[in-house]
Amino acid sequence: QKEVEQDPGPLSVPEGAIVSLNCTYSNSAFQYFMWYRQYSRKGPELLMYTYSSGNKEDGRFTAQVDKSSKYISLFIRDSQPSDSATYLCAMSAVPRNTPLVFGKGTRLSVIA
Amino acid sequence: EAQVTQNPRYLITVTGKKLTVTCSQNMNHEYMSWYRQDPGLGLRQIYYSMNVEVTDKGDVPEGYKVSRKEKRNFPLILESPSPNQTSLYFCASTLGVGQPQHFGDGTRLSIL
Repeated sequence: QKEVEQDPGPLSVPEGAIVSLNCTYSNSAFQYFMWYRQYSRKGPELLMYTYSSGNKEDGRFTAQVDKSSKYISLFIRDSQPSDSATYLCAMSAVPRNTPLVFGKGTRLSVIA
Repeated sequence: EAQVTQNPRYLITVTGKKLTVTCSQNMNHEYMSWYRQDPGLGLRQIYYSMNVEVTDKGDVPEGYKVSRKEKRNFPLILESPSPNQTSLYFCASTLGVGQPQHFGDGTRLSIL
């Protein structure tokens, strides 16, 4: 079983839809969880950074972590064509000791 | 503006011709990494450096070299490039291992 699993998509939704992106993981030691957005021909940029379980909201974006199920989600409300990108999850066990482990990314298209 | 700068952005070259991809960050970050991104394989870490003169192998180090003589710079060296090193390369920096990383905009290398 891979350490981090992420459905590659592509996922296509109409403008205004609620988007749900997910990752599952196997390492119960993961404590820090991140979501990155990557536009075509650009590097990944950090969207959300959360510690342990729970929710974090930033504008139209909500990150959820369920450590009991080893499952993290990113929700995008009122999706816009500008949200079209690849979304990568990433996680780490202890910040100063272990490197980030990335999911392979989900490609999202929001159709106007 | 906080940034990670890679050069060149694009390079087409031939097998065996040594090349260097430069990476510079202006955030005074201690930790820097190189990744390659391939379709279906996601981001894979090549090498990382926890500080000046301290480097270590990531998941896919074969065929690559790095050096860290100054805190801000972390060049990636391909001594004898081969076609299987054709890929999209990203440099990243962060305050510490496992912390959110700041990525450059990538270098697309084609080795013929």
